[in-house]
Amino acid sequence: DVKVTQSSRYLVKRTGEKVFLECVQDMDHENMFWYRQDPGLGLRLIYFSYDVKMKEKGDIPEGYSVSREKKERFSLILESASTNQTSMYLCASSSGELGEKLFFGSGTQLSVL
Amino acid sequence: QKEVEQDPGPLSVPEGAIVSLNCTYSNSAFQYFMWYRQYSRKGPELLMYTYSSGNKEDGRFTAQVDKSSKYISLFIRDSQPSDSATYLCAMSSNTGNQFYFGTGTSLTVIP
Repeated sequence: DVKVTQSSRYLVKRTGEKVFLECVQDMDHENMFWYRQDPGLGLRLIYFSYDVKMKEKGDIPEGYSVSREKKERFSLILESASTNQTSMYLCASSSGELGEKLFFGSGTQLSVL
Repeated sequence: QKEVEQDPGPLSVPEGAIVSLNCTYSNSAFQYFMWYRQYSRKGPELLMYTYSSGNKEDGRFTAQVDKSSKYISLFIRDSQPSDSATYLCAMSSNTGNQFYFGTGTSLTVIP
């Protein structure tokens, strides 16, 4: 079975803190994604990566950065957390081949107080 | 206009009913269509995957794609309380690494 693992299910942080969200996939996938999901807004792409050390901005990259030092691991960094970054964060991966399927992790519910 | 439109519901049905969930889209380049099931506070789980037009069946679930109408559907037969979840449609084209999502339909199956 495919597996995308997010390190934390729930996180509570304070405004201004630096936050790291970790994601690991065991499928040798080329592409990895970070989305946030908010009620009424659906899924919005923050960043994606199509190779090690490569990244592309998504629709809402402001206030976020990413790191992909190894193929299986993709980290999302909130440089200085703000209350409007309270959300469900979802990591996903796909093979990069034509017609690839997208697989999600179990999500991290982040609350910034 | 959004790339993908999905009625958010909520949809409430009695156990055993046939459920129909739908999405429309505007981009004729979309070739790959997916349905995800998402339980509360969990990540989306890939339920059905279809290429181009036609039907695909898996147990109680049937995915249908009508490219001429830019319309996709997910049917759930003999619905169960365990089917209560949010259902997301998603699609992609032959170019790039982009996926486009509906906002999800919330379904409750009442015992």
